[in-house]
Amino acid sequence: AQRVTQPEKLLSVFKGAPVELKCNYSYSGSPELFWYVQYSRQRLQLLLRHISRESIKGFTADLNKGETSFHLKKPFAQEEDSAMYYCALRQGSSNTGKLIFGQGTTLQVKP
Amino acid sequence: SQTIHQWPATLVQPVGSPLSLECTVEGTSNPNLYWYRQAAGRGLQLLFYSVGIGQISSEVPQNLSASRPQDRQFILSSKKLLLSDSGFYLCAWIEKTGAGELFFGEGSRLTVL
Repeated sequence: AQRVTQPEKLLSVFKGAPVELKCNYSYSGSPELFWYVQYSRQRLQLLLRHISRESIKGFTADLNKGETSFHLKKPFAQEEDSAMYYCALRQGSSNTGKLIFGQGTTLQVKP
Repeated sequence: SQTIHQWPATLVQPVGSPLSLECTVEGTSNPNLYWYRQAAGRGLQLLFYSVGIGQISSEVPQNLSASRPQDRQFILSSKKLLLSDSGFYLCAWIEKTGAGELFFGEGSRLTVL
C-alpha cells in the first residue's frame, strides 16, 4: 500500500539555522513526490515537486529511491518559513491525479 | 484564470443532522475533483475523488458521501452527522491528465456537537 510518513509533528528552529523536514514513503512503483505548504490563514499550496529539481524559497528536496525518502531542506531558516508542511506522493502512472499525504510537520522558526 | 470556491467556510451542526458542503471550480473544464479531510494528528486524508460527472470513488469507508452533479461542482454530504465527522474539509482540483499541481480551496471547518 502507498504510504507517506512524516515522523515529526513539530520542528522548532531558530532563525538562520538549517532545516530538514523528513519524509519517507512506501510505494513499489515510480512515484512522484511533492511538498505542499500551508501558511497561516492561506490555502494549501504546492511548494515543490521532485521532477522539477528546482529550489523554491531556498528549499530543496532530493528523491532518494534507495532510502525511499524525500526530505525537505533549507540551509538558513527564515521566520516567514513558519508553516505546516505536507509531503505527498502520486503514483507515477496514475491519471487520477490523486495525492497521498503525510501527517504534516509544523515548522516553527523562532527569532 | 482558474479559481476554486468552497462554502460554507464554517459550520456548526448537531449530531444526527444532515450535511452539505459545496465546491465549485471556475476557469477549467472536466477537472478531476477531490475531497480531503484535515484532522489533527492524521494529516490530510483523501475521502473521495471524481474524474467526471457522476463518477465518484471513495477512498475510505465512512459516514459521508460525495456527488458530482455538474462538471465543475463537487458536493460532500451526510444524512446524519457523527461527532467524528468534525474536521477541516478541503476541496481540490487538477487538470484532466492528472499531472501537475493540485489546487486547493480555502476549506470548510465543520464542528459537530
